[in-house]
Amino acid sequence: SYELTQPPSVSVSPGQTARITCSGDALPKKYAYWYQQKSGQAPVVVIYEDSKRPSGIPERFSGSSSGTMATLTISGAQVEDEADYYCCSTASSGNLVVFGGGTKLTVL
Amino acid sequence: EVQLVESGGGLVKPGGSLRLSCAASGFTFSNASMTWVRQAPGKGLEWVGRIKSKTDGGTTDYAAPVKGRFTISRDDSKNTLYLQMNSLKTEDTAVYYCTTGVHYWGQGTLVTVSS
Repeated sequence: SYELTQPPSVSVSPGQTARITCSGDALPKKYAYWYQQKSGQAPVVVIYEDSKRPSGIPERFSGSSSGTMATLTISGAQVEDEADYYCCSTASSGNLVVFGGGTKLTVL
Repeated sequence: EVQLVESGGGLVKPGGSLRLSCAASGFTFSNASMTWVRQAPGKGLEWVGRIKSKTDGGTTDYAAPVKGRFTISRDDSKNTLYLQMNSLKTEDTAVYYCTTGVHYWGQGTLVTVSS
């Protein structure tokens, strides 16, 4: 079965750049999506189709994808960015969707 | 404003069945592919399955752990998405989210499978 691999945790100080990676064999051909989930809340998409940012998402959130790795970058992370982040993509068959295991971002 | 409101969660015994509903508004439901995602307590997000719009064939796809036990359907006349869950297992305990697949998510409904 297809898997997306994320680091379990990333920690940065406020104002620093946080980078969260997601690796998967199909990423060269499939888009990556990134979701932010704060405690007790539904997920919110922060990046879609590798690098597009929805309206209302701060400009400090950006995404990129190269080869088998997608990266979510938070430039100048804020305390309010503390959350779990999940990458999401599609298996090469196109029929199945997979989430990464999630990365807990700590900003302190 | 897009709204997705799940209902139907609750406590069910192992082996039992439950049907979840998701009432959609604020967009053209009949044109949308719809997805169910779940999250076990303290765990990550898990894709459950998807149903395409009728214009895209209306086909369904399921994750391996639920294939053959869960059925996704839709009633476009009622703007409602369903998840029929049969032969439930304790590991199906989770918050179940209805989503348009990317941008819009409901708040979820809790399903607890326990004896």
